[in-house]
Amino acid sequence: QQPVQSPQAVILREGEDAVINCSSSKALYSVHWYRQKHGEAPVFLMILLKGGEQKGHEKISASFNEKKQQSSLYLTASQLSYSGTYFCGTGLLYGGSQGNLIFGKGTKLSVKP
Amino acid sequence: DTAVSQTPKYLVTQMGNDKSIKCEQNLGHDTMYWYKQDSKKFLKIMFSYNNKELIINETVPNRFSPKSPDKAHLNLHINSLELGDSAVYFCASSQEGTPYNSPLHFGNGTRLTVT
Repeated sequence: QQPVQSPQAVILREGEDAVINCSSSKALYSVHWYRQKHGEAPVFLMILLKGGEQKGHEKISASFNEKKQQSSLYLTASQLSYSGTYFCGTGLLYGGSQGNLIFGKGTKLSVKP
Repeated sequence: DTAVSQTPKYLVTQMGNDKSIKCEQNLGHDTMYWYKQDSKKFLKIMFSYNNKELIINETVPNRFSPKSPDKAHLNLHINSLELGDSAVYFCASSQEGTPYNSPLHFGNGTRLTVT
């Protein structure tokens, strides 16, 4: 049931773009995205609730393809502050997980000057 | 104005001991959670409480027990600590009964080291 995130890690130069994918084998009701910096708590970025929904958060946006059971997080013109580990959390559409989010293993993003 | 606060931040103890981690949220949220993050950074739900009732209890050892004196607090008690319990434990809260459509707000974590 755990969603699969790809890539596992990515290194960028400031100003470059990145895409992080989150794919589930189960039908999804929602997808959350969180960023966790080293030694800190995960911080909420956005929730996507509807198939085909897209959301933006500064230069970070995301899409949710309900049919493909996947979501993508887009980071454009990356900044040093974007460094961290990005987690997707999935809410299953039908049962399972007892109403809780299931998190992927994370994607470590490093932005270099 | 810390939204979700947990104490202590670090906890070092020996095998076999009993310890507690405290969590408080001032967001007025209905549901609180405990997550365990292991050395590989995998975030796994342990418990959630909604209005003082345990609504979800994942397959964690019964050495772990959540206790909620009121809606704003959810403490985690761990008996007979084992080496494998070493991890970072995060408390979290959400406004609604399920986090499916409500953001999770995490505390800063408690790093537990069992020696």
